[in-house]
Amino acid sequence: AQSVSQHNHHVILSEAASLELGCNYSYGGTVNLFWYVQYPGQHLQLLLKYFSGDPLVKGIKGFEAEFIKSKFSFNLRKPSVQWSDTAEYFCAVIPGYSSASKIIFGSGTRLSIRP
Amino acid sequence: EPEVTQTPSHQVTQMGQEVILRCVPISNHLYFYWYRQILGQKVEFLVSFYNNEISEKSEIFDDQFSVERPDGSNFTLKIRSTKLEDSAMYFCASRTLREAPYNEQFFGPGTRLTVL
Repeated sequence: AQSVSQHNHHVILSEAASLELGCNYSYGGTVNLFWYVQYPGQHLQLLLKYFSGDPLVKGIKGFEAEFIKSKFSFNLRKPSVQWSDTAEYFCAVIPGYSSASKIIFGSGTRLSIRP
Repeated sequence: EPEVTQTPSHQVTQMGQEVILRCVPISNHLYFYWYRQILGQKVEFLVSFYNNEISEKSEIFDDQFSVERPDGSNFTLKIRSTKLEDSAMYFCASRTLREAPYNEQFFGPGTRLTVL
């Protein structure tokens, strides 16, 4: 079945550690890719997006993601996390077949940062 | 900065009752969406709305659900006869067609619906 997979349900890191959250999707053809973040008690915010061009995209707050088409992956990275990065992170895809550009979300990864 | 707003933030209702969730999209946006997130599960697409009609809907969006843009600013989701399994966080989102990046959707803070 077509889906977006986030393999890590809960990641716990210490401050200053490096972060990589995995995301794989199973849609063929053109896709638009996103990472959203949801801080505790807040709404979904866009971290970064990929539409075309350079597969390494930079987002807000020092996050970046790399689109690897051959692996159907769009992993999120940050070289040094902070306590304030504690949040839920959602990988998301807009498949090219969706005329309405509906977003398909992954199940989310909860990131906990130890001070 | 303009943002999507939703009311109420929390709605508690009895099973079988009708509920209306309200959203005010960003003013120059043209595409509107409802998503939901059952506790502990992923965010799921429900419906998209453009030019005063549904443009796409998921299998979740059955006859119990309806959407409406009753005036120039509000976008509503109605659940006719709520079930226990409708308990979830409901997110509204909107986007504009005219400006790049046209696929970016802006989300509201959500309405938590609790069906008892």
